Amino acid sequence: QKEVEQDPGPLSVPEGAIVSLNCTYSNSAFQYFMWYRQYSRKGPELLMYTYSSGNKEDGRFTAQVDKSSKYISLFIRDSQPSDSATYLCAMKSGGYNKLIFGAGTRLAVHP
Amino acid sequence: EAGVAQSPRYKIIEKRQSVAFWCNPISGHATLYWYQQILGQGPKLLIQFQNNGVVDDSQLPKDRFSAERLKGVDSTLKIQPAKLEDSAVYLCASPPGSLSNTGELFFGEGSRLTVL
Repeated sequence: QKEVEQDPGPLSVPEGAIVSLNCTYSNSAFQYFMWYRQYSRKGPELLMYTYSSGNKEDGRFTAQVDKSSKYISLFIRDSQPSDSATYLCAMKSGGYNKLIFGAGTRLAVHP
Repeated sequence: EAGVAQSPRYKIIEKRQSVAFWCNPISGHATLYWYQQILGQGPKLLIQFQNNGVVDDSQLPKDRFSAERLKGVDSTLKIQPAKLEDSAVYLCASPPGSLSNTGELFFGEGSRLTVL
């Protein structure tokens, strides 16, 4: 079993739709949870960062962490064609332990 | 503050040849990471440096991969001899703060390696 599971998609939605992206994990020691966005032929860029459980909102993006279920989500409201990218969840435990990435979900938002 | 610079952007070699990638991380930051991203997968950590020292190289295939960081600034990642399965994007990253360990990372654009 992988430490972090993420459905690779692809996910295709019309412009304006609400998008839900999810990851599950098995390591209960994870405390830091991130979503990275990666455009084609570019490096990942940090989109959202959450420490422990709870919700965090930034513009059209909302990140949720449910540690009891070992489940994290990213919601994108009013999706735009510019949101078309691969979304990677990532998480780590404390200290200098390494960041573990999911496989990434490819999202296509069509006009 | 400049971003993470990597070169070359693309490299095509035949198996058993050698290749080297270079990274210049965010200026003054002590921590530097090399990740391998195979097509369709998430990045996987190869090696983590803290200044000149190695913090984690548990997933680095040491029979063929080597990395060094001279004077705690630039870093090079070398593969010798390359195998077909080494075809991937090699990403260099550093955290936003010199001592940050939350997992927030700035990535370079990557070096895409194709092994034929």
